[in-house]
Amino acid sequence: SQKIEQNSEALNIQEGKTATLTCNYTNYSPAYLQWYRQDPGRGPVFLLLIRENEKEKRKERLKVTFDTTLKQSLFHITASQPADSATYLCALAGGGNKLTFGTGTQLKVEL
Amino acid sequence: GAVVSQHPSRVICKSGTSVKIECRSLDFQATTMFWYRQFPKQSLMLMATSNEGSKATYEQGVEKDKFLINHASLTLSTLTVTSAHPEDSSFYICSAKSLAGGAGELFFGEGSRLTVL
Repeated sequence: SQKIEQNSEALNIQEGKTATLTCNYTNYSPAYLQWYRQDPGRGPVFLLLIRENEKEKRKERLKVTFDTTLKQSLFHITASQPADSATYLCALAGGGNKLTFGTGTQLKVEL
Repeated sequence: GAVVSQHPSRVICKSGTSVKIECRSLDFQATTMFWYRQFPKQSLMLMATSNEGSKATYEQGVEKDKFLINHASLTLSTLTVTSAHPEDSSFYICSAKSLAGGAGELFFGEGSRLTVL
């Protein structure tokens, strides 16, 4: 069966360090993969999209990699700040623009 | 960026009543909107895909008579939870894809927290 796995344990890092979150998937061949940020009690906010033929995508302090052989995406936040604390969701695209979400990883950036 | 508005953000109702949640795209047109539900500490689960002017497509296991979806215009979709029960208590989130938007990017509403007593 199809599965998207994100580390369910919270990731705690110090301010200024690089946070790296992992998204692994099985039994998918997604045309693209997306990352979203979700704050408590709020809807997700789109961050980045990376297509299957792209290895890496950057946006300001964010970087996403996509390895279709390993079936894995890594999401990096450089120079992390307390304001980056949130839950980060990866999502895979299926047919008809349908997205399937992982359970998310909670990131806490401490001073 | 594109804005999707959901209303109400919170609703408390008695068991057996019906609740309507609205999802509006404020500054763009959306032929397709999606409705998700999310339980605490869990992922977003797609409930249905709402297409303007046609019937919604429901995901497996989602009762279409329980969760009525109407997409009457390019900027409005509604989800009605009929005869709500405590197990329907959840966080309901809509999303929309802009006609003019890039591939795949979805814009989400702020969510509606439903509590059924």
